[in-house]
Amino acid sequence: EAQVTQNPRYLITVTGKKLTVTCSQNMNHEYMSWYRQDPGLGLRQIYYSMNVEVTDKGDVPEGYKVSRKEKRNFPLILESPSPNQTSLYFCASSWGRGSYGYTFGSGTRLTVV
Amino acid sequence: AQTVTQSQPEMSVQEAETVTLSCTYDTSESNYYLFWYKQPPSRQMILVIRQEAYKQQNATENRFSVNFQKAAKSFSLKISDSQLGDTAMYFCAFSNLQGAQKLVFGQGTRLTINP
Repeated sequence: EAQVTQNPRYLITVTGKKLTVTCSQNMNHEYMSWYRQDPGLGLRQIYYSMNVEVTDKGDVPEGYKVSRKEKRNFPLILESPSPNQTSLYFCASSWGRGSYGYTFGSGTRLTVV
Repeated sequence: AQTVTQSQPEMSVQEAETVTLSCTYDTSESNYYLFWYKQPPSRQMILVIRQEAYKQQNATENRFSVNFQKAAKSFSLKISDSQLGDTAMYFCAFSNLQGAQKLVFGQGTRLTINP
């Protein structure tokens, strides 16, 4: 089944404790991206990657890091999480420029206390 | 920068009724893509329908159709014969063909279908 797999689904952590949210796709998509969803704001792009070793900032990159060492994987790293990073996170992938839409993972609910 | 606005935070209709969700956007580009995504309580993001800006014909997918007004920069979603399973958050999204690749989302409309 073609899908984007995110883990974990839920995560509660403490301020300052480094964490990684994993994302993997099995569709050989070139493009991958991370979004965060907050009430009243919709989804906003954090980082994106056009291909292996090619990443760039989205609209809200502060406090996040990413890497793209393999085509299928695009982990999101929070090196020192803070409470304002409490949010619902989505990984997405697509062919080319996404003209046929994006496939999303099932989301990660992160709470930073 | 592109922006997408959904002016209806919440809507509620009875089962089998028709409902229209509004979306407006702002862009200086002439070619782009527009999407409606559904997010049920499971929080999965599901693509409902897509529209290519250079196509004048409105997209249709079964009970879902759009009213795309390019000059007015409006992209509304009509759900006919609404079903309980249509209860969800709906997001309008814009994708450009130039510059940074991303989906720009509206704030979302929470739709409730009542039995």
